[in-house]
Amino acid sequence: SQQGEEDPQALSIQEGENATMNCSYKTSINNLQWYRQNSGRGLVHLILIRSNEREKHSGRLRVTLDTSKKSSSLLITASRAADTASYFCATHGGNFGNEKLTFGTGTRLTIIP
Amino acid sequence: NAGVTQTPKFQVLKTGQSMTLQCAQDMNHEYMSWYRQDPGMGLRLIHYSVGAGITDQGEVPNGYNVSRSTTEDFPLRLLSAAPSQTSVYFCASSYRGLDYGYTFGSGTRLTVV
Repeated sequence: SQQGEEDPQALSIQEGENATMNCSYKTSINNLQWYRQNSGRGLVHLILIRSNEREKHSGRLRVTLDTSKKSSSLLITASRAADTASYFCATHGGNFGNEKLTFGTGTRLTIIP
Repeated sequence: NAGVTQTPKFQVLKTGQSMTLQCAQDMNHEYMSWYRQDPGMGLRLIHYSVGAGITDQGEVPNGYNVSRSTTEDFPLRLLSAAPSQTSVYFCASSYRGLDYGYTFGSGTRLTVV
């Protein structure tokens, strides 16, 4: 069963606008990660946030984590056409030695030029 | 630095045939895993390995075998292909520990007719 559920399933915005995607999960985690997948390609790791962190930035990406609500959000600022892709959250719930990631079903983001 | 290499990129099998999907990484990652991606289902873990000689089952292991004789290679074997195994298969690797993201291969698109 899927641990993470992304919301919305699909999102279309104008280039230059900000895009926000949300992820909810069910059980306790060690960290939460976000990945991007361009059409027909493999997933690319974007950012990792630990369970004891509340916010993390990387370039135009901002990730927040609320462990009390078991939710995370990914904000992409000043979107570009190249940001068009599917975005997945993934949770790491095990201890050292158990590196399994459980992925959500993804949000498909379309940037309209 | 090649990263994670998957072969073949595309494959068509007849029901009942067997085949091996190859995965190799050159980053000295201890952890390797296989996922399948189906529309609307996200990524589901098939098998994983935390080091040479050690493998374990994931969420959907039935119909698949793996072995890990070296750190670099983690082949996935389909024993008797079924149409339900039509999917895109991704291999991923990482260092062990709680602070590492996965590196994905570009995928193998498998069709079973």
